[in-house]
Amino acid sequence: QKEVEQNSGPLSVPEGAIASLNCTYSDRGSQSFFWYRQYSGKSPELIMFIYSNGDKEDGRFTAQLNKASQYVSLLIRDSQPSDSATYLCAVNYGQNFVFGPGTRLSVLP
Amino acid sequence: GAVVSQHPSRVICKSGTSVKIECRSLDFQATTMFWYRQFPKQSLMLMATSNEGSKATYEQGVEKDKFLINHASLTLSTLTVTSAHPEDSSFYICSATSSGSLNEKLFFGSGTQLSVL
Repeated sequence: QKEVEQNSGPLSVPEGAIASLNCTYSDRGSQSFFWYRQYSGKSPELIMFIYSNGDKEDGRFTAQLNKASQYVSLLIRDSQPSDSATYLCAVNYGQNFVFGPGTRLSVLP
Repeated sequence: GAVVSQHPSRVICKSGTSVKIECRSLDFQATTMFWYRQFPKQSLMLMATSNEGSKATYEQGVEKDKFLINHASLTLSTLTVTSAHPEDSSFYICSATSSGSLNEKLFFGSGTQLSVL
């Protein structure tokens, strides 16, 4: 059974701080990894994807992948109250996307 | 990113009626579409996976005769909730992907909030 795990939170950080969200996955054969943001009452929105070991930066977001440790993370720099949402980690196994339960992030003004 | 359109965004219906939800990929061909439901403050729950031109694959515990899925073309999938009951009230979300390759991304529709009275 392919599994994706996340700490459900809530994770609370002050405005302007770095928020660090973590995700682990069970299948070493996984090739591609995604972070989605979901606001309450809305559908998930793709914000980052990463395929290779290392860091990938896009604006205030950095995704980090360590395949040896089966670990992927999302860093949000200069966190804003508008970043308050649930962040879903997802792994693509071909035509099968497995989602983690999500981490609820709260950025306090 | 690719655009997935889902309609209606909100529907209120009486118990016993059927509701159809449409999901369209607007700028790509969706070989695979997924249907999820989500209760308040809970995780996404995959209901079924549909490939164009073939029968949908339902997750364990999801009644295929109640949740009818049709993926008749590469840009359209529909979910029909038959004989809806109040316990079917939920947020239904479709998503789509194209080639099925390992690097392919998944894009979501905007969701449908179903309320059954």
